[in-house]
Amino acid sequence: AQKVTQAQTEISVVEKEDVTLDCVYETRDTTYYLFWYKQPPSGELVFLIRRNSFDEQNEISGRYSWNFQKSTSSFNFTITASQVVDSAVYFCALKEPGSSNTGKLIFGQGTTLQVKP
Amino acid sequence: DTGVSQNPRHKITKRGQNVTFRCDPISEHNRLYWYRQTLGQGPEFLTYFQNEAQLEKSRLLSDRFSAERPKGSFSTLEIQRTEQGDSAMYLCASSPGGGGGNSPLHFGNGTRLTVT
Repeated sequence: AQKVTQAQTEISVVEKEDVTLDCVYETRDTTYYLFWYKQPPSGELVFLIRRNSFDEQNEISGRYSWNFQKSTSSFNFTITASQVVDSAVYFCALKEPGSSNTGKLIFGQGTTLQVKP
Repeated sequence: DTGVSQNPRHKITKRGQNVTFRCDPISEHNRLYWYRQTLGQGPEFLTYFQNEAQLEKSRLLSDRFSAERPKGSFSTLEIQRTEQGDSAMYLCASSPGGGGGNSPLHFGNGTRLTVT
């Protein structure tokens, strides 16, 4: 079965600390896509990154970085030097290109990050 | 790119009433999705349209729920005879048609439904 697990329900850090959000996924397919989304208090899910299963290179975008490890089925997200504006709920999601190829996503439960000043 | 627009933002209704939500996707996107998100959970897939065709429905979409996308542009989600368990955030998303369905989904702000 396809599944995404974000074991950390809530994380609280002080501004400028680094923080890592964990994501573990389960899938039968060898070809798949993983995503991270941010949901600020306004409610809109904001796309952060997409990674396909054939690209295991880690990615860095400013203060954000992602560590994809197929061996452990993990796709973790690190925020360096966190800021108050990073406070949000973060979701990891899995998309499987099955025969229907709908593009639908399976989301984890989300991790609420609170960055205190 | 004006983004995905959803109306209303909030809806309070009494149990047993019917409600309808509207979603206007990004204009050049032909894929449209409805998701439901309850408190403390991730969004759950409800249904998917490619242009005007509804191609997939989740088992979560009971017969009280119906979605349409009559001209392949905006979409509506109707819930008949609402129940308290329907209280949730209803999210709409759209994506371009290319890329084999691997393009990121663009989400709207959602419609928060409260059934009293």
